[in-house]
Amino acid sequence: SAVISQKPSRDICQRGTSLTIQCQVDSQVTMMFWYRQQPGQSLTLIATANQGSEATYESGFVIDKFPISRPNLTFSTLTVSNMSPEDSSIYLCSVFVSSYEQYFGPGTRLTVT
Amino acid sequence: GNSVTQMEGPVTLSEEAFLTINCTYTATGYPSLFWYVQYPGEGLQLLLKATKADDKGSNKGFEATYRKETTSFHLEKGSVQVSDSAVYFCALFDSGAGSYQLTFGKGTKLSVIP
Repeated sequence: SAVISQKPSRDICQRGTSLTIQCQVDSQVTMMFWYRQQPGQSLTLIATANQGSEATYESGFVIDKFPISRPNLTFSTLTVSNMSPEDSSIYLCSVFVSSYEQYFGPGTRLTVT
Repeated sequence: GNSVTQMEGPVTLSEEAFLTINCTYTATGYPSLFWYVQYPGEGLQLLLKATKADDKGSNKGFEATYRKETTSFHLEKGSVQVSDSAVYFCALFDSGAGSYQLTFGKGTKLSVIP
């Protein structure tokens, strides 16, 4: 298994600003993922972040809006840029471990006003 | 492409009632199947998994059997408790699809009343 922490746990931000979310894992992992969960909805993958390479973004998500860093095997950041109320969501990081298991962080609850 | 379909919620049960949450899937390969649970205000927790046909995943009194013939992975619990109130997500992982992402169902909200 893996224990994942995220910072901040929640934030309220004004439109037009940016927020950087941190994800820390208690062990070294190759593959990390960032998901978005809009209110009352399921999870949507934003991007896959592998250490040593550029993040791979899913359709509908772009690097300018959601830049990602992956400086080492235990840490990643996701920035939500130029925020609008539509970006109000829960943002979760997850890691892929053995036996085809993914574990999730507790999430960052973002409200944009 | 891959997809997961869950029964619509919300589901409201009395304590000690029997729970079934239906989940069916479509996949191009031979997926692994998962149930995740999200308690109020928290992130997702892996509840149970099954990696091949006829496998049964179990945890905390919950069970689900991987049925390839019916492409299903229904979640069951014999006697629910108030503490089981949460949103339950069925998900699949298909390594043959060339991606390591999970495909999630829409989630089923369960409320258990005393």
